[in-house]
Amino acid sequence: SQQGEEDPQALSIQEGENATMNCSYKTSINNLQWYRQNSGRGLVHLILIRSNEREKHSGRLRVTLDTSKKSSSLLITASRAADTASYFCATDASSNAGGTSYGKLTFGQGTILTVHP
Amino acid sequence: DGGITQSPKYLFRKEGQNVTLSCEQNLNHDAMYWYRQDPGQGLRLIYYSQIVNDFQKGDIAEGYSVSREKKESFPLTVTSAQKNPTAFYLCASSSARGPGILPYEQYFGPGTRLTVT
Repeated sequence: SQQGEEDPQALSIQEGENATMNCSYKTSINNLQWYRQNSGRGLVHLILIRSNEREKHSGRLRVTLDTSKKSSSLLITASRAADTASYFCATDASSNAGGTSYGKLTFGQGTILTVHP
Repeated sequence: DGGITQSPKYLFRKEGQNVTLSCEQNLNHDAMYWYRQDPGQGLRLIYYSQIVNDFQKGDIAEGYSVSREKKESFPLTVTSAQKNPTAFYLCASSSARGPGILPYEQYFGPGTRLTVT
């Protein structure tokens, strides 16, 4: 099964509300990344959090990581209709201790976020 | 204008035919990846390549083949052996990272939607 499991599968909110999405994973990771996908398009990278970090912010995005629980959350504050998209977490379990590595990612199934104007 | 291009956007084929999906990047990235996405699902890794003339199988490589003759190009062939080829195919690329260097995110192309009837 997928490394990342996301919850909820779908989330519907009003503009201005906050949206929280959760991701759980099974093995030790190097970093965890969140991506956004608009319908029928490619993915866009949002934010990356390393295994030794607990919280990271980028604009209206806040990501937390709890490696003891093997879980992460993505919070979008003051949501807008334009935030409507699917959001995926992706885990990087590769190690670069021995030299150059390339960050092979394993993706979760995603959360579909709908923000109503 | 740097980025990843995939062509065509939509592709239709008859069952039993091989088809090749194009992926080109001008980001000077070493690593390239092919993913498959089914409706309502996350991304599953088909093949990845870390360097020219080298590639590795991902989680669902059966029925697919790739080549990496140039750094910029990573075409994917969907063969007649792939039992359920209708899907959305995404290509991505990323930089390598050396020891102690921050991991890099993946950059995605716009995708090719393949329909086989």
